[in-house]
Amino acid sequence: NAGVTQTPKFRILKIGQSMTLQCTQDMNHNYMYWYRQDPGMGLKLIYYSVGAGITDKGEVPNGYNVSRSTTEDFPLRLELAAPSQTSVYFCASRRSGNQPQHFGDGTRLSIL
Amino acid sequence: GQQVMQIPQYQHVQEGEDFTTYCNSSTTLSNIQWYKQRPGGHPVFLIQLVKSGEVKKQKRLTFQFGEAKKNSSLHITATQTTDVGTYFCAGEYGNKLVFGAGTILRVKS
Repeated sequence: NAGVTQTPKFRILKIGQSMTLQCTQDMNHNYMYWYRQDPGMGLKLIYYSVGAGITDKGEVPNGYNVSRSTTEDFPLRLELAAPSQTSVYFCASRRSGNQPQHFGDGTRLSIL
Repeated sequence: GQQVMQIPQYQHVQEGEDFTTYCNSSTTLSNIQWYKQRPGGHPVFLIQLVKSGEVKKQKRLTFQFGEAKKNSSLHITATQTTDVGTYFCAGEYGNKLVFGAGTILRVKS
């Protein structure tokens, strides 16, 4: 059981470039989440999904897009990278509401 | 919107001293969860509290959920260097968890 796997672990982007952060889980969890964590700060919810084909905005969705075509995968897309998007991105999953979340190791993204 | 306030932001204690972090929600919660994040790591689930007035213990850690289900606390007795990290509370709102800003704990040996 790998749990929640995020790739890449590190990435440096130039302003205006685009990229996709990958997240996959092998626990057959219905709910998946994307958070960003700025240095010394808490977790801010970007997008979440309660099942394949269903996505919803969180607290800070601007500049990001997501899709959920399968139960296992929940990629996060940055279309036009901006320095304000420099952060650590965590993907998490859980079986349903009122359950603990399992986090991936994170992707450390710098935009220069 | 939903907010979860957590204090203090930072605490630096001598090894062996106690530590407490407090969490307060603007609305009643169905449950509250606690997570620990080691420096450079990812948040790891510690515990979930569901019932009004609930108290749970994990070795030196004691978790409480308030009677009104709007506040919670985590107390560590006799801190050790292995306790360092950031402790987050998270309130359940519909299908989402709203995280507090976290309390960073540093332990001097």
